[in-house]
Amino acid sequence: GDSVTQMEGPVTLSEEAFLTINCTYTATGYPSLFWYVQYPGEGLQLLLKATKADDKGSNKGFEATYRKETTSFHLEKGSVQVSDSAVYFCALRMNSGYSTLTFGKGTMLLVSP
Amino acid sequence: DVKVTQSSRYLVKRTGEKVFLECVQDMDHENMFWYRQDPGLGLRLIYFSYDVKMKEKGDIPEGYSVSREKKERFSLILESASTNQTSMYLCASWALSNQPQHFGDGTRLSIL
Repeated sequence: GDSVTQMEGPVTLSEEAFLTINCTYTATGYPSLFWYVQYPGEGLQLLLKATKADDKGSNKGFEATYRKETTSFHLEKGSVQVSDSAVYFCALRMNSGYSTLTFGKGTMLLVSP
Repeated sequence: DVKVTQSSRYLVKRTGEKVFLECVQDMDHENMFWYRQDPGLGLRLIYFSYDVKMKEKGDIPEGYSVSREKKERFSLILESASTNQTSMYLCASWALSNQPQHFGDGTRLSIL
């Protein structure tokens, strides 16, 4: 079945450091890809998405590019802030029928001042 | 903004009790979902519904049931709660498959 693999955390960075969180997927077709973020004590919020190969999703300084050839959707940010500390989930959804989201296990990011 | 509201943020119940978790969305979305979130396991889909009175099993439906009598409300039912159902439960909704899911803030359920 479809699956998403993302790097285990926690990822610990100092403020203004460069962030990469790796995400790869396995799917039988061509899914849409998403990054969700969960701040402490809250539900998940959509951070960015890409619906086809070579699309780049971006939001709040975060970026991810849909790479079909490597089946990847890595999350990057050039300069993290303490307020970016959260759990990040990579997810996919097939673009057909009553499809559902398949999530990775989540990566916790801790940013220190 | 879409609002997905879960009735309780924290809930403590006893083993064997019948437990109801309620979720309401205010944007007339057709599709609604229940997930549980556990450390190291991420989010796992329990049940979803794509219309009133319709339901589909997700990846881990055992020990749960659901009810969708009205479009805006999707209830998760633990028929006889057990300690291994202690978890964070998240409800979500979406309108169309090319739109993002919107999540509630979660219910942290403890079964003693």
